[in-house]
Amino acid sequence: DAKTTQPPSMDCAEGRAANLPCNHSTISGNEYVYWYRQIHSQGPQYIIHGLKNNETNEMASLIITEDRKSSTLILPHATLRDTAVYYCIVRGYMNYGGSQGNLIFGKGTKLSVKP
Amino acid sequence: EPEVTQTPSHQVTQMGQEVILRCVPISNHLYFYWYRQILGQKVEFLVSFYNNEISEKSEIFDDQFSVERPDGSNFTLKIRSTKLEDSAMYFCASTRIRGVGSETQYFGPGTRLLVL
Repeated sequence: DAKTTQPPSMDCAEGRAANLPCNHSTISGNEYVYWYRQIHSQGPQYIIHGLKNNETNEMASLIITEDRKSSTLILPHATLRDTAVYYCIVRGYMNYGGSQGNLIFGKGTKLSVKP
Repeated sequence: EPEVTQTPSHQVTQMGQEVILRCVPISNHLYFYWYRQILGQKVEFLVSFYNNEISEKSEIFDDQFSVERPDGSNFTLKIRSTKLEDSAMYFCASTRIRGVGSETQYFGPGTRLLVL
């Protein structure tokens, strides 16, 4: 099962910031937080990832709390094309006898950007 | 920007037929994956592949499924005798190296398989 909890849906006005929360209270020290999105039935698109520091790239910012138990993905100026399902995924090192890096997807948050 | 490609984009087949889904991972990537997504459901891991052998597989990946890297660029998923419940989107993904949390996994656009 996914190690993260996300709200099932959110709305955002076009041009405003979209703040998508994620809880990962059981995250361990060597696990990263990844964000992907899926537009319609297209392949999951990588957005950003982080370990403990806040991260920013051309698509988004990732804010991770100091205790690392939750994070927020920020799309600074949402557009209609940002309407998608957003997945928060915790991923760590290869564990012998366990997961070797495959991603475990939950249901994600369906973000609807409205004009 | 390098990307994972998949062919065909759509495939319709009759139940019991064999299908081969093809993927070209990013060129310097060494670790490959297949996932599937049944309509309206979550993306599910099927199998990972490294150094010409399966590294890990899920319980979905039964004897009807096989994977292969037939040459230096392609990575294929074969379903030997398709069932109605194999109808899904199939996604290929790749990473540069394996098992490291900081290595990003990149996905292809998917193949939509419909079994009639």
